Amino acid sequence: EAQVTQNPRYLITVTGKKLTVTCSQNMNHEYMSWYRQDPGLGLRQIYYSMNVEVTDKGDVPEGYKVSRKEKRNFPLILESPSPNQTSLYFCASRAQGMKGNTIYFGEGSWLTVV
Amino acid sequence: SQKIEQNSEALNIQEGKTATLTCNYTNYSPAYLQWYRQDPGRGPVFLLLIRENEKEKRKERLKVTFDTTLKQSLFHITASQPADSATYLCALGQSGNTPLVFGKGTRLSVIA
Repeated sequence: EAQVTQNPRYLITVTGKKLTVTCSQNMNHEYMSWYRQDPGLGLRQIYYSMNVEVTDKGDVPEGYKVSRKEKRNFPLILESPSPNQTSLYFCASRAQGMKGNTIYFGEGSWLTVV
Repeated sequence: SQKIEQNSEALNIQEGKTATLTCNYTNYSPAYLQWYRQDPGRGPVFLLLIRENEKEKRKERLKVTFDTTLKQSLFHITASQPADSATYLCALGQSGNTPLVFGKGTRLSVIA
């Protein structure tokens, strides 16, 4: 079954305590990305990666880091989380090349920073 | 800057009627447009794709149109059911390697 798996699904953390949200896909997709979703603001892209060792900033990259050492994994790192990073986060993947390839989203990670 | 607008934040309709959702865009020349469904607290799920050279696409009770002159896509759900209640997102893309741009979504409620 095609899947994008992200962990943890729910997390409450304190300001400044580094955390990593993992993301893994089993479809051999080249393209992976992270979004955050906030009320009234919709989905906003944080970072994306077109392939291993290739990453690019999205619309709201400040305060986040990513890495793409393997094709299947694309972790999101918050080095020093702040309350304004409280949000619902989605990892996503799709195949490259063709126009209109479907994006597959993970189930989401609810992050609260206090 | 590019802008995507979905007609309203929320839309309420009676069961059995046709729901019509609108996606308008400016300062953008998409090669394709997609519609996604999102249930509360869940990830968006792909529904339909329409390319710039296509006028209309159908899938079961769903129909999407794409008018590149008006810069608009319409998404229709015929014979709507309470189970169709969700938020619907439109997303625009250019080449196969560029990020999609998402609208903020329209929350549809189908009332029995």
